[in-house]
Amino acid sequence: EDQVTQSPEALRLQEGESSSLNCSYTVSGLRGLFWYRQDPGKGPEFLFTLYSAGEEKEKERLKATLTKKESFLHITAPKPEDSATYLCAVLEGGYNKLIFGAGTRLAVHP
Amino acid sequence: GAVVSQHPSRVICKSGTSVKIECRSLDFQATTMFWYRQFPKQSLMLMATSNEGSKATYEQGVEKDKFLINHASLTLSTLTVTSAHPEDSSFYICSASPLFEAHSSYNEQFFGPGTRLTVL
Repeated sequence: EDQVTQSPEALRLQEGESSSLNCSYTVSGLRGLFWYRQDPGKGPEFLFTLYSAGEEKEKERLKATLTKKESFLHITAPKPEDSATYLCAVLEGGYNKLIFGAGTRLAVHP
Repeated sequence: GAVVSQHPSRVICKSGTSVKIECRSLDFQATTMFWYRQFPKQSLMLMATSNEGSKATYEQGVEKDKFLINHASLTLSTLTVTSAHPEDSSFYICSASPLFEAHSSYNEQFFGPGTRLTVL
């Protein structure tokens, strides 16, 4: 069965304290791995798509990387406005269907 | 671009009533729309996939007679929760995929802002 597992479940950081979020997956025929940000009471906001092992993408303080079994979302010098739930999802091979992980709730304190 | 709206954003209803939620792609045509449900502190769970002009495909465990989906046009899909009960209270989110692009290997999904349903 295809699975997406995110860790940690929750993360508390001080402003400026860099860290990484993990997303491990087991799917048959990965067609893409997605990172989303979700604020409370809102829909997911697209951040990155990664397609192949070794690929990296950056946006402001965020950098996403991909290996054959997992992806990392690195947050450099976070600010309180980076506080949100970060969701990882994989596009299942053969279908236009996203399988989501449970998310990591990030809280950045001043 | 690629904006998806949902209406209403929040609804409270009595047990036994039916509730309709609309999902619209505002600036693109969507061949496929997806409906998800999200319980507090949990991730998004796909309920069904709808393609314009055809019947929706429901995920295992989702009652098709309870969650009626209509995808009448390339910009509108509706989810009707029939005879709602308190256990149906949840955050319902739709997403839409644009018409297939020949140079793409996938159809990207754009998410709506969600609808909070509370059944008393």
